[in-house]
Amino acid sequence: EGQLVQSGAEVKKPGDSLKISCKGSGYDFDTYWVGWVRQMPGKGLEWMGIIYPSDSDTRYSPSFQGQVTISADRSIKTAYLQWTSLKASDTAMYFCTRHEEGTLMIDNWGQGTLVNVSS
Amino acid sequence: NFILTQPHSVSESPGKTVTISCTGSGGSIASKYVQWHQQRPGSAPITLIYENSQRRFGVPDRFSGSIDSSSNSASLTISGLKTEDEADYYCQSFDIKNRGVFGGGTKLTVL
Repeated sequence: EGQLVQSGAEVKKPGDSLKISCKGSGYDFDTYWVGWVRQMPGKGLEWMGIIYPSDSDTRYSPSFQGQVTISADRSIKTAYLQWTSLKASDTAMYFCTRHEEGTLMIDNWGQGTLVNVSS
Repeated sequence: NFILTQPHSVSESPGKTVTISCTGSGGSIASKYVQWHQQRPGSAPITLIYENSQRRFGVPDRFSGSIDSSSNSASLTISGLKTEDEADYYCQSFDIKNRGVFGGGTKLTVL
């Protein structure tokens, strides 16, 4: 079955950079896509993008293209979500997701990483 | 843009049946599989239904999914409602470029 374990909560200031992580275990990391989902306080789920760690093929939602960077390090079975300059509006819970190779079906969720951006 | 629209909230009594709709616009809902996810307060979501109507392992058969091409919509039906079913439910699919799309979510109250 496998699992996704995300890095811990972060408190940052506007303008700071940040990279959060999602480590896969118990499955072949190279044969699944890994994605990221945002949930702003009291709001719904928003699909941000996905990456195929085997070849780094990455697809972004138009809403998040250019705002964040999704990457992966196959050697340590870890995917990342990165910001170069955080805004207060980036305050949210971020979930990583595992997607089956063919259908892109989500079959596993990380526990979530809370990012709080405040001056 | 492919958009999925859900009712903001639904409510029903324990033991009854409720159906949550998910209507597509800007594309055909039948062109990509639909999934349904459940999120209880304070928890990460879990996937209930994949490929329109397939239950994930361990999901009770009280939960069922379907699509209707004529109305360009998908539905999640929960029968024999229990108080533990109280949660937010999200439909999700992909656009023609395989970028994910979530519906806005439906808050189910079991009262």
